[in-house]
Amino acid sequence: DAGVIQSPRHEVTEMGQEVTLRCKPISGHNSLFWYRQTMMRGLELLIYFNNNVPIDDSGMPEDRFSAKMPNASFSTLKIQPSEPRDSAVYFCASSLEGAYYGYTFGSGTRLTVV
Amino acid sequence: AQTVTQSQPEMSVQEAETVTLSCTYDTSENNYYLFWYKQPPSRQMILVIRQEAYKQQNATENRFSVNFQKAAKSFSLKISDSQLGDTAMYFCAFMKPWDSYNNNDMRFGAGTRLTVKP
Repeated sequence: DAGVIQSPRHEVTEMGQEVTLRCKPISGHNSLFWYRQTMMRGLELLIYFNNNVPIDDSGMPEDRFSAKMPNASFSTLKIQPSEPRDSAVYFCASSLEGAYYGYTFGSGTRLTVV
Repeated sequence: AQTVTQSQPEMSVQEAETVTLSCTYDTSENNYYLFWYKQPPSRQMILVIRQEAYKQQNATENRFSVNFQKAAKSFSLKISDSQLGDTAMYFCAFMKPWDSYNNNDMRFGAGTRLTVKP
């Protein structure tokens, strides 16, 4: 298996632009998580899905952020409009419900908003 | 809410020596899972070791082992025979058992930056 695949690896955008981050979880995993990592706040959970259904989005910072999982093999995290304070590394992770061997993380997307 | 505390922002160790990274957590749960993740400069998050709270035996993975003290809510990571490739950020994490009615996400500590010196 290729693992969790995220794209793009790096994204630089101007303030006010729309940004879309993409994630392909491991085949067969039915839970998907979006995390944001910053120096100030560490790793924060933004949202997670179980069987393609959003379970907890309380970590989404504001309405500018939205996430979708239209099918079991694809998820997106969208920021519109983007702001400089959104600059961070965004990780996607997947796991099997009830399997407690931990999450498998993607390699992350480093977002820079100028 | 569960919290995870790593009180050592940075540590260093000489190559081939042993180092212990500390982690404490706060929970009212009796059953849960604990993890150590490694994040090298490549930023990939790599699972190092996991522990199930109902197991008294400390987990071991090659040069990595844990000291799990349930009553003290402590979960330290020991790295033996440190290698240059162990240089990374290390995150301690906590997760409750699956429950479809409650949050089941993994909570992370702030991390410890470990440098292995030649």
